[in-house]
Amino acid sequence: QKEVEQNSGPLSVPEGAIASLNCTYSDRGSQSFFWYRQYSGKSPELIMFIYSNGDKEDGRFTAQLNKASQYVSLLIRDSQPSDSATYLCAVRGDNQGGKLIFGQGTELSVKP
Amino acid sequence: NAGVTQTPKFQVLKTGQSMTLQCAQDMNHNSMYWYRQDPGMGLRLIYYSASEGTTDKGEVPNGYNVSRLNKREFSLRLESAAPSQTSVYFCASSEEVFLTGEPQHFGDGTRLSIL
Repeated sequence: QKEVEQNSGPLSVPEGAIASLNCTYSDRGSQSFFWYRQYSGKSPELIMFIYSNGDKEDGRFTAQLNKASQYVSLLIRDSQPSDSATYLCAVRGDNQGGKLIFGQGTELSVKP
Repeated sequence: NAGVTQTPKFQVLKTGQSMTLQCAQDMNHNSMYWYRQDPGMGLRLIYYSASEGTTDKGEVPNGYNVSRLNKREFSLRLESAAPSQTSVYFCASSEEVFLTGEPQHFGDGTRLSIL
């Protein structure tokens, strides 16, 4: 089992819809969770991070964390074509010596 | 506002050649990292440096060496390039490697092809 798993997609949603991206992780000691967005041919850029169970909202983005079930999700409301990118989930925990472990990414396509 | 700067941006090598990828950050971060990214594999950590003067292996260190030249610079060297090292290489930095919640800031990447 991979330490951090994401559905590689592509996930296709119509413009204006809610896009839901999911990530599961294996290390129960994981402490912090990050979502990076990566446009094709570009570097990853941080869009959200979350440490505590529950929801964290930032504009159109909501990160959700459930440590008991070991999953973290990213919701994008009112999806725009400019949101089309690969979304990388990254997890930091004690078992990795504090290092970030990345999932393989989910490709999102928002259709006009 | 440069952030993390990587050079070169593109490079083509022949099998067996050596080269060094350069990375510099201007954010006064203590920790720096080298990743490689292959299709469908996400980002995999090659080496990292928690602080100036220290380096440690990541998930895929074989075939690479690193040097933390000073607080700003962290270089990655391929001594004898192999086609399996064809990839996109990203350098990143953060305040501290072990600080919970500390995000990493990435450079623009080096696209390396080995023939």
